[in-house]
Amino acid sequence: SQKIEQNSEALNIQEGKTATLTCNYTNYSPAYLQWYRQDPGRGPVFLLLIRENEKEKRKERLKVTFDTTLKQSLFHITASQPADSATYLCALEAYSGGGADGLTFGKGTHLIIQP
Amino acid sequence: DSGVTQTPKHLITATGQRVTLRCSPRSGDLSVYWYQQSLDQGLQFLIQYYNGEERAKGNILERFSAQQFPDLHSELNLSSLELGDSALYFCASSEGQGTYGYTFGSGTRLTVV
Repeated sequence: SQKIEQNSEALNIQEGKTATLTCNYTNYSPAYLQWYRQDPGRGPVFLLLIRENEKEKRKERLKVTFDTTLKQSLFHITASQPADSATYLCALEAYSGGGADGLTFGKGTHLIIQP
Repeated sequence: DSGVTQTPKHLITATGQRVTLRCSPRSGDLSVYWYQQSLDQGLQFLIQYYNGEERAKGNILERFSAQQFPDLHSELNLSSLELGDSALYFCASSEGQGTYGYTFGSGTRLTVV
């Protein structure tokens, strides 16, 4: 079966350091992978999309890598700040015989940046 | 404000009842997606509509149904509600198939008592 795995344990990082979050997937052949941020009680916010032919993508302090051989994406936040504390979700589009089946989300990693 | 509007924000209802959740997508977006989020299950994809037509179906119960209207707003109907249906229900929209990301609304928190 298709699975998206993110570290379910909270990740504690000291302010100013780089936070690295991992997303592993099985039985997907994604054309692209997306990362979202979610704050408690609020809707996810789109951060970055990386395509299968892209190794790395950057946006301000964010960097995403995508290794289709390892079936893994890494999400980095450099110079982390307490305001970066949130749950970060990895998402892939699932496909069946009828075509795309909507984005499937991992359960997310809760990131805590400590001052 | 993400541009995706969901109403109501909160809903408390009794078991066995029926409710309707409403979503207005971001201007220009043709696709609408519905997701359910409970504490132990994470975000679960329910259904997608594209320009009025059902495009994809996920783990949507038979007691649940949705539609997208000509003005592109969408409604999610939940009937014969059970305690386990208590969750946050999110609507998201995208231009087409979401290859530029989804925009989510702030959700409707449904509590079934």
